[in-house]
Amino acid sequence: QVQLQQSGPGLVRPSQTLSLTCAVSGDSVSSSTAAWNWIRQTPSRGLEWLGRTYYRYQWYNEYADSVKSRITIKPDTSKNQFSLRLDSVTLEDSAIYYCVKSRFINNWFDYWGQGTQVTVSS
Amino acid sequence: DIQMTQSPSSLSASVGDRVTITCRASQSISAYLNWYRQRPGQAPNLLIYAAYTLQSGVPSRFSGSGSGTDFTLTINGLQPEDFATYYCQQSHSIPLTFGGGTKVET
Repeated sequence: QVQLQQSGPGLVRPSQTLSLTCAVSGDSVSSSTAAWNWIRQTPSRGLEWLGRTYYRYQWYNEYADSVKSRITIKPDTSKNQFSLRLDSVTLEDSAIYYCVKSRFINNWFDYWGQGTQVTVSS
Repeated sequence: DIQMTQSPSSLSASVGDRVTITCRASQSISAYLNWYRQRPGQAPNLLIYAAYTLQSGVPSRFSGSGSGTDFTLTINGLQPEDFATYYCQQSHSIPLTFGGGTKVET
């Protein structure tokens, strides 16, 4: 059974960096059939896919245009986890953040982390 | 980007009812359409993938149909745990996008 366990701070100051980690059990982040995503949710914008990382003989990343200049998603194979870094946050980055596994090629989201409420506030 | 539009945004129903939710894509996505249920305080949960395939462990009262741009999620015999918000998601192309949600209320 795949499980994703999120960790990271729930409060970030404006202009600072949001950092979250997702520990994976029951699968490998280096799996050739999976991709590892970050999705956020707000009442106003709904569910928003932010980006993903996946391994196909080398590591690849894909990001949403809305955050492309500020986001980094990185795998850590030694700990079987992946992380989200979002730079220069504003109040609009306040959201519930989920780490999510998807079936590569098919792109449906079959396992979700528990979610982290991140508030951007001074 | 492919825009996903769900209707209605909310509906009222009772236990045992048949409920139908629709999702429309801004361009053809073949059968690359998935459905999720989100209960309050929880992460979304995959119900149906590839338009009509039931995810393992999901009750058979859920069914999906459609292709191209128009899709439907049907719940036959609404149960108490089904009062939740439902989302469609296209998996045709990056960026992966979701509909705005349909809240099923009592």
